[in-house]
Amino acid sequence: GAVVSQHPSWVICKSGTSVKIECRSLDFQATTMFWYRQFPKQSLMLMATSNEGSKATYEQGVEKDKFLINHASLTLSTLTVTSAHPEDSSFYICSARSPGLTYEQYFGPGTRLTVT
Amino acid sequence: GQNIDQPTEMTATEGAIVQINCTYQTSGFNGLFWYQQHAGEAPTFLSYNVLDGLEEKGRFSSFLSRSKGYSYLLLKELQMKDSASYLCAVVRVYSGAGSYQLTFGKGTKLSVIP
Repeated sequence: GAVVSQHPSWVICKSGTSVKIECRSLDFQATTMFWYRQFPKQSLMLMATSNEGSKATYEQGVEKDKFLINHASLTLSTLTVTSAHPEDSSFYICSARSPGLTYEQYFGPGTRLTVT
Repeated sequence: GQNIDQPTEMTATEGAIVQINCTYQTSGFNGLFWYQQHAGEAPTFLSYNVLDGLEEKGRFSSFLSRSKGYSYLLLKELQMKDSASYLCAVVRVYSGAGSYQLTFGKGTKLSVIP
């Protein structure tokens, strides 16, 4: 149980275009999902916290108009990188909060974004 | 603010024991996770400590001292497949109502050699 999937696993896009990444909890309902970004040899940096049915909470320095997050259902959150630039190239990982009274997060396999 | 420190790299021999340390400073502390991450993959859960002391789970053990802001992950009987990055992540609770976030250290890249 507790599987989180991401799609696509990797994507290459041209500068100026938009890319949507999907994050799904496959066998549980996730009221809260998180989006992280990881640059090479760096740790995971939290970008935003996504709660189902409400607006996402963005971390300081993350542009909410550039990284659009939609958590429309209890099993799906999407991250859209708008007008992507090469500096947005990174490993994007989503996670879903475990059901129940626990702080554990289940991570998706990640999406490698390359902007050319 | 928050500060989490762990060594950048470590090397150990197959079959040996290695200890990876993590020190932290944060407000609203409510536990510490250890995750394993292989290159290009998502982190996988290893342990969670919220009370002081040692938690043992097979070849892996994790220790926490809240008063010292210190944790370590102990790996015994190292295997080649244990070569990976090990991330400590601190739970910070804020604003009540179960709101929280994980703040990750930069990770320790462990290389297991024959």
